[in-house]
Formats: sequence, C-alpha cells, structure tokens
Amino acid sequence: RKEVEQDPGPFNVPEGATVAFNCTYSNSASQSFFWYRQDCRKEPKLLMSVYSSGNEDGRFTAQLNRASQYISLLIRDSKLSDSATYLCVVSIMDSNYQLIWGAGTKLIIKP
Amino acid sequence: GAGVSQSPRYKVAKRGQDVALRCDPISGHVSLFWYQQALGQGPEFLTYFQNEAQLDKSGLPSDRFFAERPEGSVSTLKIQRTQQEDSAVYLCASRPGLSLDETQYFGPGTRLLVL
Repeated sequence: RKEVEQDPGPFNVPEGATVAFNCTYSNSASQSFFWYRQDCRKEPKLLMSVYSSGNEDGRFTAQLNRASQYISLLIRDSKLSDSATYLCVVSIMDSNYQLIWGAGTKLIIKP
Repeated sequence: GAGVSQSPRYKVAKRGQDVALRCDPISGHVSLFWYQQALGQGPEFLTYFQNEAQLDKSGLPSDRFFAERPEGSVSTLKIQRTQQEDSAVYLCASRPGLSLDETQYFGPGTRLLVL
C-alpha cells in the first residue's frame, strides 16, 4: 500500500461546478498536510496547508479527518484555470523536512 | 524577487554519460531539497541540505547519485554513468528556514532523458 494515495482521475468537470477529491495516508503519526497544484510540465506550487479544524481560502476548502486518515480538497465555482494536477503531501513523523507526495489527481475543467 | 532557478532545463544524455544539474535557490534560504519526478508520479525525495550540510541523502537511488551545496547556496546534483531509468524531471526546492509549515518553493526542474 502506498503511503499517500490519490485517485489519479482525470476528473472532468463543467465550469462553475463544485468538485471534491480525497487523499488517504497510511502513517497515523503524520502531523502536517498540504495540497500542492502542478500545471502540466510546470513545478508544484503550494495551494494550501491543511489544518486540523479545516480551512478555507476563497473557493478552496481543505479538511482533515485524522480518524479515517484522509484529507480532502473542495473547489467551488470551478474555473477553467483550475485545470491542473492536485498533489496531496503528508509529513513524516519526527522529520522537519521529509514529505511524502501523492501521485496527484488530474482535474480538467470544461467550458 | 528571483525564484528558484535550475539549469539546464533539458538534458539529453547517452547511457553511461555523467551529468550535472544545477540549482540556484532563493537567496538566503536555509533549506534545499532535491526531488525526482517520474511521469505521472509525485515528486520523490532525494536529498536535503540545511545550509551546506547534507543532512539526509536517503532518497538517492544509488551511489551513482551525488549532491553538494558547498557554500550553502547553489547546489549541484551529479549523476554518474547515467542509465535509462534515470530519465525523469529533477526538481529543486528551497525553504526559508527549518519549519515544515514554511512553503517550499520549487524551480522549474531539469528534464533528463537518457538514451
């Protein structure tokens, strides 16, 4: 079993719709969680950190469920520019630098 | 300000050739990371530097891979006797300090193709 698992997609979603995807992680001691966005043939960029209480940044909402060991990302009112691969990233216990990256979920927003 | 830069952006090597990939992190950033990203996969950790000290090289796939950051700024990832399985995008990232909560800023990557 991979340490961080994501549905690779692609998720094909009409513009303006709401889309959500999850990521599961295997290490129950993980403390830090992130969503990164990666455009085709570009570098990853931090979208948002994920906090225990859940957090929102504009149209994006991230949630953490420690009991079930998953994090989620919800995108409301999706835009064409949201088309990208979304990478789930989880820390390793006792490390301030090592992160485990999921393989990403590809999202395609259609006009 | 300038972000993380990497060179070359593309590299085609013949199997057995040595290659050197350069990373210029954001000025003043303490932490520097190298990752390997295969097609359709997420980045895989290779190595971590805190200033000039290489604190972790556990992700380097073999002893053909070597990284250095001698003055705590520019870093070089060297791959000796390249093999076809080394073909991937090599990403460098830097971070201001030592906290996981800080953002990692990535360079554009070097796309390595070994023929």
